[in-house]
Amino acid sequence: DAKTTQPTSMDCAEGRAANLPCNHSTISGNEYVYWYRQIHSQGPQYIIHGLKNNETNEMASLIITEDRKSSTLILPHATLRDTAVYYCIARGATNKLIFGTGTLLAVQP
Amino acid sequence: NAGVTQTPKFQVLKTGQSMTLQCAQDMNHEYMSWYRQDPGMGLRLIHYSVGAGITDQGEVPNGYNVSRSTTEDFPLRLLSAAPSQTSVYFCASSYGSVNEKLFFGSGTQLSVL
Repeated sequence: DAKTTQPTSMDCAEGRAANLPCNHSTISGNEYVYWYRQIHSQGPQYIIHGLKNNETNEMASLIITEDRKSSTLILPHATLRDTAVYYCIARGATNKLIFGTGTLLAVQP
Repeated sequence: NAGVTQTPKFQVLKTGQSMTLQCAQDMNHEYMSWYRQDPGMGLRLIHYSVGAGITDQGEVPNGYNVSRSTTEDFPLRLLSAAPSQTSVYFCASSYGSVNEKLFFGSGTQLSVL
């Protein structure tokens, strides 16, 4: 699976959109981009995933660039409960889901 | 539905002791896996299983054994605990093994003295 690179930490004001970037420049054609988040001490929670089209669900939107070398997770109206570590993962046809160290998003009141 | 259930939530062991971390899911998921998470680090894959009777190693399998005799259960065994195994352990499951979202348990915090 391709390596992903994320900023270590980010801040966001409550009520504003949080835009979390992820670089995956070596991603291959069959690798999906997955996003999970981990709220303090809890098990990670699935957010969204996509291959090349933009995706939206009740939690977030995923924007993947046309060359698929990077993506952005968007939380449209961040709340304090969105403070968490967000993991971006590139996953192909493999049984292994490998997590990196993620981005700590701190939503400020 | 209970989802993915891990027991115990907390455990303290002495070096050399053995124990089993339990993981059960009630979603009829074929794929199950174990991760460990050390302070300030991401999750590292220990072992995984794509179905009953089938297991394989992840990134950090040394010191851990697993078996999968039923679809529902995937226990993780520490045969001789070491301080380096002090960590938080998460179990996860998914319907399939490829391109399926994982559901995680709430974790087991293990301390080895």
